[in-house]
Amino acid sequence: KAGVTQTPRYLIKTRGQQVTLSCSPISGHRSVSWYQQTPGQGLQFLFEYFSETQRNKGNFPGRFSGRQFSNSRSEMNVSTLELGDSALYLCASSLGMEGWMGEQYFGPGTRLTVT
Amino acid sequence: GENVEQHPSTLSVQEGDSAVIKCTYSDSASNYFPWYKQELGKRPQLIIDIRSNVGEKKDQRIAVTLNKTAKHFSLHITETQPEDSAVYFCAASRVSSYKLIFGSGTRLLVRP
Repeated sequence: KAGVTQTPRYLIKTRGQQVTLSCSPISGHRSVSWYQQTPGQGLQFLFEYFSETQRNKGNFPGRFSGRQFSNSRSEMNVSTLELGDSALYLCASSLGMEGWMGEQYFGPGTRLTVT
Repeated sequence: GENVEQHPSTLSVQEGDSAVIKCTYSDSASNYFPWYKQELGKRPQLIIDIRSNVGEKKDQRIAVTLNKTAKHFSLHITETQPEDSAVYFCAASRVSSYKLIFGSGTRLLVRP
C-alpha cells in the first residue's frame, strides 16, 4: 500500500497570509491526525478527524483549522500566518474506529516557512 | 494537564551496547504507548507500541516495558548498530481521547 502523502512538501509564506496543507491517508484508513513539529516545542497535537468529524483538538489558536473529506483526505488551514507558525506539519493516518484512532503512520510532512 | 517527560535528551553509546530511554506520563488513564524513530529529514516511524494490559513487549532487538503504578515506560535497544542512530519519541494516549501526547525526544548516537 502507498504510504501517507502530504502536499506540498515545502512552502514559503509571508506573515499575514494564509496556507492550506493537504494529507492523503493510507488506503482504508479513516482517521487523520495533524501535528506541528518544531525544535523548541517538539511534536504537538493539532486535531484528529474521523468520518469527516473532528473528534479532538489541541491547544492551538482558532487560526488553525482543518477538515476531512468523504474519501478521508484531510486539509488543514492556517490563517493570518505568524513567524512562529514556521514548522514541519505532519499528518498521520490510522484505521480509526469508534473509541480509538488506531496505530498512527506519519506522512513526510510539509515544511512551512513564514517570513 | 497531560504531559510526557522523556529522558535523556541525548544518548551516546558504543556499537553493540544497549540503550535505554525512559518516559513518564501524567495522565493515569493513559493506556496506549507507542515509540517512534525519526531519522534526520524523514518522517517519524512507529517501531513498537504497548497497551496498558501488557507489561512488556519485544520485537527482535527492541523492547518496551510499562510500569503503570509508577506511570513510566521505557524503550530498550540491545546490540545497537550505527543505523539505530536517530531521534526517538515516546508518546502516551488515553485511547478514547484520539490524540497522542509526545515526549520531547531522545537523540541517540551509536558510535561505530
